[in-house]
Amino acid sequence: QKEVEQDPGPLSVPEGAIVSLNCTYSNSAFQYFMWYRQYSRKGPELLMYTYSSGNKEDGRFTAQVDKSSKYISLFIRDSQPSDSATYLCAMSWNSGNTPLVFGKGTRLSVIA
Amino acid sequence: DAGVIQSPRHEVTEMGQEVTLRCKPISGHDYLFWYRQTMMRGLELLIYFNNNVPIDDSGMPEDRFSAKMPNASFSTLKIQPSEPRDSAVYFCASSSPGQGGTGQFFGPGTRLTVL
Repeated sequence: QKEVEQDPGPLSVPEGAIVSLNCTYSNSAFQYFMWYRQYSRKGPELLMYTYSSGNKEDGRFTAQVDKSSKYISLFIRDSQPSDSATYLCAMSWNSGNTPLVFGKGTRLSVIA
Repeated sequence: DAGVIQSPRHEVTEMGQEVTLRCKPISGHDYLFWYRQTMMRGLELLIYFNNNVPIDDSGMPEDRFSAKMPNASFSTLKIQPSEPRDSAVYFCASSSPGQGGTGQFFGPGTRLTVL
């Protein structure tokens, strides 16, 4: 079993839809959880950063962490064609200054 | 801020040749990470440095890979000799203790093709 599991998709939704992206993990030592967005042939771009369990909202993006279930989610409201990208979850056990363990990414397409 | 800078952006070489990838972290960031991304395995850590000192190189595939950080603003990842299975995108990322709560910032990557 991989440490971090993420459905690779692809996921295709109409413009304006709510998108739900998810990851599960096996290592209970993970404390810091991140979501990165990666456009084709670009580097990963940090979207959301959360510590421990709970919710965090930033504009159209909401990140949720449920440590009891070892499950994290990213919700995108009012999705736009510009949101079309691969979304990677990442996590670490001791802040953003320790190595990240990544999911393999979910490819999202938002259709106008 | 210019962000993390990597060079070259693309590298095509023949099996057996030496390859050197370069990275300039964000100014003031004390942590530097090298990751490799492939379709099969996704993004995986190769090695990381703190204050120019290697902390964990357990992800380096074998002795053909080496990394250095001679100063706070420059790091290299070298593959010698290169093999076709080394073909991947190599990313450099940096972070700061004071900004540990904001995650790691990635460069644009070097796309390596070994023929």
